[in-house]
Amino acid sequence: NAGVTQTPKFQVLKTGQSMTLQCAQDMNHNSMYWYRQDPGMGLRLIYYSASEGTTDKGEVPNGYNVSRLNKREFSLRLESAAPSQTSVYFCASSEVLGDVEQFFGPGTRLTVL
Amino acid sequence: EDQVTQSPEALRLQEGESSSLNCSYTVSGLRGLFWYRQDPGKGPEFLFTLYSAGEEKEKERLKATLTKKESFLHITAPKPEDSATYLCAVTGTASKLTFGTGTRLQVTL
Repeated sequence: NAGVTQTPKFQVLKTGQSMTLQCAQDMNHNSMYWYRQDPGMGLRLIYYSASEGTTDKGEVPNGYNVSRLNKREFSLRLESAAPSQTSVYFCASSEVLGDVEQFFGPGTRLTVL
Repeated sequence: EDQVTQSPEALRLQEGESSSLNCSYTVSGLRGLFWYRQDPGKGPEFLFTLYSAGEEKEKERLKATLTKKESFLHITAPKPEDSATYLCAVTGTASKLTFGTGTRLQVTL
């Protein structure tokens, strides 16, 4: 089992460019999440999907959109990147939404110039 | 709003020197407290879940405990391979994880 995979590992964008971060899990989990991690801020939830077909905003959703493509895949889209979106992005999954452990991917390091 | 505060921010220990990391929290209706380990350049790796005050869990040199206001991660006789950032997180009635900023642990020979 690969667990949670993310692509790409690194990306550099110019302000205003768009891109999609891809995430897939092979654990048959129902719930998936996107976080960003910034120095001194901890991990913050951007969007989550409790189950296939549903998505909801987290703590910091502005400037992002998500798509739960199927049970395995959950993508994060930046329509018009801004320097404030420079961060490390982590995808995670869990069996269900709630008080169960989440499994994290290796992350995508994004720089917006 | 759920909040998690971890201390210290950074900790340097010699191999074999035991210590504890602290995680204090405020949450409406604690449903679970989680400890994760994060190595540089990698995603967080799950360690423990605690659900109620008085609960304890152990894994090798690590032991996690929980009270009504805080959790401790005790590290007994640490080794250099225990060097990492340790993250604490809670879920409350909103069923979403709120993370602390972590404690960076360095264990030297």
